Amino acid sequence: EVQLVQSGAEVKKPGESLKISCKGSGYSFTSYWIGWVRQMPGKGLEWMGIVYSGDSDTRYSPSFQGQVTISADKSTTTAYLQWSSLKASDTAMYYCARGNIHYYDSSGYRHYFDFWGQGTLVTVSS
Amino acid sequence: QSVLTQPPSVSAAPGQEVTISCSGSSSNIGNNYVSWYQQLPGTAPKLLIYDNNKRPSGIPDRFSGSKSGTSATLGITGLQTGDEADYYCGTWDSSLSAGVFGGGTKLTVL
Repeated sequence: EVQLVQSGAEVKKPGESLKISCKGSGYSFTSYWIGWVRQMPGKGLEWMGIVYSGDSDTRYSPSFQGQVTISADKSTTTAYLQWSSLKASDTAMYYCARGNIHYYDSSGYRHYFDFWGQGTLVTVSS
Repeated sequence: QSVLTQPPSVSAAPGQEVTISCSGSSSNIGNNYVSWYQQLPGTAPKLLIYDNNKRPSGIPDRFSGSKSGTSATLGITGLQTGDEADYYCGTWDSSLSAGVFGGGTKLTVL
């Protein structure tokens, strides 16, 4: 059974650093991407970035480039999302999800998230 | 402002049918595959449709997807109260070199 288990809720102060995790199991971790999705309170889903677990190739949404760092450790089948200096506006639920990205010359990119973690709530408040 | 445009809300009666639209451009929907996600209240999103019109194992055939040009549509037939949720479309944007989601549509089953 494919499972993505995320680390627990965090309460932090502005300016602090944070690293949250997402442990994959039940599948070949290095054959898939792991993506991160932000959902601010009462808002929609935002695609943040994605890392290929096999070689750590990473892509970021322009909106999140430079704001966060996404990484993966294949030895522990765990992906990470980290901030060096949190802001109050980083308060949100963060989901990891197993990603598929394939490109075909004739039909473009196939990209979707087929399994999701339970979410990690990050609260940033002074 | 999301790259993909969805109606904020739709509603229909139990047993009826509803469609949810997702509009984009040639850099995203027009040249790439579309997926759809269901997010029930207080839960993580779940994949409903991938590759424009394919259903993962366990998703009932009441849910369907289609794509034409730079727009995609999610259809739900035989509406049930348990279908009340937020629905999101997603795809790859070749200009951004990143994935994108629609703003989401809240489905109310009256």
